[in-house]
Amino acid sequence: DTGVSQDPRHKITKRGQNVTFRCDPISEHNRLYWYRQTLGQGPEFLTYFQNEAQLEKSRLLSDRFSAERPKGSFSTLEIQRTEQGDSAMYLCASSQRKRDIGTGELFFGEGSRLTVL
Amino acid sequence: AQRVTQPEKLLSVFKGAPVELKCNYSYSGSPELFWYVQYSRQRLQLLLRHISRESIKGFTADLNKGETSFHLKKPFAQEEDSAMYYCALSGYGNNRLAFGKGNQVVVIP
Repeated sequence: DTGVSQDPRHKITKRGQNVTFRCDPISEHNRLYWYRQTLGQGPEFLTYFQNEAQLEKSRLLSDRFSAERPKGSFSTLEIQRTEQGDSAMYLCASSQRKRDIGTGELFFGEGSRLTVL
Repeated sequence: AQRVTQPEKLLSVFKGAPVELKCNYSYSGSPELFWYVQYSRQRLQLLLRHISRESIKGFTADLNKGETSFHLKKPFAQEEDSAMYYCALSGYGNNRLAFGKGNQVVVIP
């Protein structure tokens, strides 16, 4: 296992188009997180899954954003009708943790960089 | 609500000089504090966590609940310490990890 992998690494799109990112977590990890990072800022939490259940969503996740983890393994993050403000690095992370006892160590992917023209 | 504050954005130090990165947090529950590091062209990775109480790559950090701080320290900076450092907070009853804005550390040879 090579760790958390994300695809694509870079995506350039025009405003109004839809984009989808994929994340493959470390295989035995039950938790999966999506974060967004813009220039000069730390990662900002978007959403998290415990197995296939999406248990928390940030207010940053507008209705144009949707995330799935259908079989409790890989996850997708889709952004519909992209806007220039969506340009950012989208990070995926995974961990093995029970509920409500904190996150423990997160293992991050290399990120998917989105540029909206 | 949980909040992490890292006041300095950029820290330049000479090789061999001490390094201290400040982190203050706000959280009503029992906190779990971390320092993550991102070296150039590498992914974000854990440096250390307060419950481990260990030194990693010469770095230490002590959780001070009275001052709500978790400052990162290293007595003698090395060139390979040049990186972005993020303080992060989680805790019991909380399933998200909140990050500060980060500190860029540049070690001058």
